[in-house]
Amino acid sequence: GNSVTQMEGPVTLSEEAFLTINCTYTATGYPSLFWYVQYPGEGLQLLLKATKADDKGSNKGFEATYRKETTSFHLEKGSVQVSDSAVYFCALSPSNAGNMLTFGGGTRLMVKP
Amino acid sequence: GAGVSQTPSNKVTEKGKYVELRCDPISGHTALYWYRQSLGQGPEFLIYFQGTGAADDSGLPNDRFFAVRPEGSVSTLKIQRTERGDSAVYLCASSPSPYRGNEQFFGPGTRLTVL
Repeated sequence: GNSVTQMEGPVTLSEEAFLTINCTYTATGYPSLFWYVQYPGEGLQLLLKATKADDKGSNKGFEATYRKETTSFHLEKGSVQVSDSAVYFCALSPSNAGNMLTFGGGTRLMVKP
Repeated sequence: GAGVSQTPSNKVTEKGKYVELRCDPISGHTALYWYRQSLGQGPEFLIYFQGTGAADDSGLPNDRFFAVRPEGSVSTLKIQRTERGDSAVYLCASSPSPYRGNEQFFGPGTRLTVL
């Protein structure tokens, strides 16, 4: 079946540091890949997505590239801010109908001023 | 515009009781999803509706769990004979359609505690 593995947190960084959160997946066919974010006290919201191999999703300075050869979708940001502190979830939806999401376990990011 | 809403926000019940959790999706969204999130884990898929019909209920853990969406809008997740292991945050999401790659919009969740 489908699965998503992401690095365990918490990840603690100083403001303006470089961020990488690793995500790898197992799926048949060509899934769509997502990063969702949950800010403190808020619901899950889409951060970025990519629907085919070599696509790069980007939003709010975050980027992730769909790498089929390594089945990865690592999240990166060049300079984190305190306001980026949140829990980040990598997810996939299958290539067949339905678009149901399979999530990773989440990575908590804490950014210190 | 209004997002996805869920009621109640918190529900405390006793083992063995019956509970209903409600989801109001974004108007016009035909696809509706239920997920369950245990503490410290990612959400797990339970069931998905396209319109009024349950298109995939493969994530429901057992026959104590049931969901309906009679008019293709509001959905209710029903749990019979609750157990302590059912304690979790139940999330609802809606999407304009079930096509691959579409964004799902999540509600704030219902935190269920079974004593």
